[in-house]
Amino acid sequence: EDQVTQSPEALRLQEGESSSLNCSYTVSGLRGLFWYRQDPGKGPEFLFTLYSAGEEKEKERLKATLTKKESFLHITAPKPEDSATYLCAVQAAGNKLTFGGGTRVLVKP
Amino acid sequence: DGGITQSPKYLFRKEGQNVTLSCEQNLNHDAMYWYRQDPGQGLRLIYYSQIVNDFQKGDIAEGYSVSREKKESFPLTVTSAQKNPTAFYLCASSIKTGMNYEQYFGPGTRLTVT
Repeated sequence: EDQVTQSPEALRLQEGESSSLNCSYTVSGLRGLFWYRQDPGKGPEFLFTLYSAGEEKEKERLKATLTKKESFLHITAPKPEDSATYLCAVQAAGNKLTFGGGTRVLVKP
Repeated sequence: DGGITQSPKYLFRKEGQNVTLSCEQNLNHDAMYWYRQDPGQGLRLIYYSQIVNDFQKGDIAEGYSVSREKKESFPLTVTSAQKNPTAFYLCASSIKTGMNYEQYFGPGTRLTVT
């Protein structure tokens, strides 16, 4: 059974204080790892897809990396508008995704 | 303006009543999905459909039913058999990109059953 674990559950940062979120996974035959951002009461917003170990992708202050067992989402010099829940999901065979529980990020000014 | 719409945003029902949640997409995506999200938890897959007139159960299908009569529409019915129906329901659709399926989500419907 595919499993995804995200840590920490919650993260409080000062504006400008860089940090990393972790997504560790157990899956047979990873075909893709996805990162989403979710604001309270809204649907998840797609951020990145990573396909293979060693791959990196960036978007503004966010950078996602992938190894064979985990992915990291690095937030560089965060701003209050980066406050959200960040969700990680993996895809094995077929087109079903398995999601982790998410990391709630709060960036204080 | 392409996207996924879910209606209504908030829905209230009495226990014992069936309720249908709407999901429409104009992205021309083949696959559509329904997820449930409970407070502080990740998303759990209820049902998904890869083509019209075909759908498969996800991890928590008991107490739910779906139909896929049109490519654009994938309504979800929460039946009275669902023991804990109060939750945030999310619809998604996906397009195949290489070997992968990037899923895009609607705004969600918050269902409260009392």
